[in-house]
Amino acid sequence: DTAVSQTPKYLVTQMGNDKSIKCEQNLGHDTMYWYKQDSKKFLKIMFSYNNKELIINETVPNRFSPKSPDKAHLNLHINSLELGDSAVYFCASSQGTPIAYEQYFGPGTRLTVT
Amino acid sequence: SQQGEEDPQALSIQEGENATMNCSYKTSINNLQWYRQNSGRGLVHLILIRSNEREKHSGRLRVTLDTSKKSSSLLITASRAADTASYFCATDAVGSARQLTFGSGTQLTVLP
Repeated sequence: DTAVSQTPKYLVTQMGNDKSIKCEQNLGHDTMYWYKQDSKKFLKIMFSYNNKELIINETVPNRFSPKSPDKAHLNLHINSLELGDSAVYFCASSQGTPIAYEQYFGPGTRLTVT
Repeated sequence: SQQGEEDPQALSIQEGENATMNCSYKTSINNLQWYRQNSGRGLVHLILIRSNEREKHSGRLRVTLDTSKKSSSLLITASRAADTASYFCATDAVGSARQLTFGSGTQLTVLP
């Protein structure tokens, strides 16, 4: 059984388009995250949701909008895609506690903007 | 800003040898975690060490934490070709609202 799944795995699109990445976890966790990993493998958190409520919103262009319809899903919508958005995007989940426990990562979505 | 930095950036060893990776961080932490990332895959949690712990073992992994030096090390003993991956430390800084900050990673290559 897949714990954290993301779709699509690969996404190739042109500048200016709008795209979405979907994430689902079946672990019963109530905290979910979106990370961006650049070409140098540097991993940076973008957003975090706890029980459908946004708790972390790092300095990310407002072209990026997360949406959590329920605590098992956290989708990422990106408007007006730019070349610099090309990266691998990872969804993750963890138990929601006052401190950060281990996170479970999805397989990643490789976004290429041409 | 980047909290953790791994050293070395890349490490190449022969199968059977031990591999040691280091991580330094800047602020007080609740815990420090190590993750592995195989090429083209997501990160996998390896081990978590709390700020009041000094050493932790899991199978062939040994993690140490020195909060006075703000550093941690990951030792993989008797390495195997399957250990080839990138290894990241991640810190849960005090007051960070459950946010993990990842280091830049060490690329480990184990040669058969």
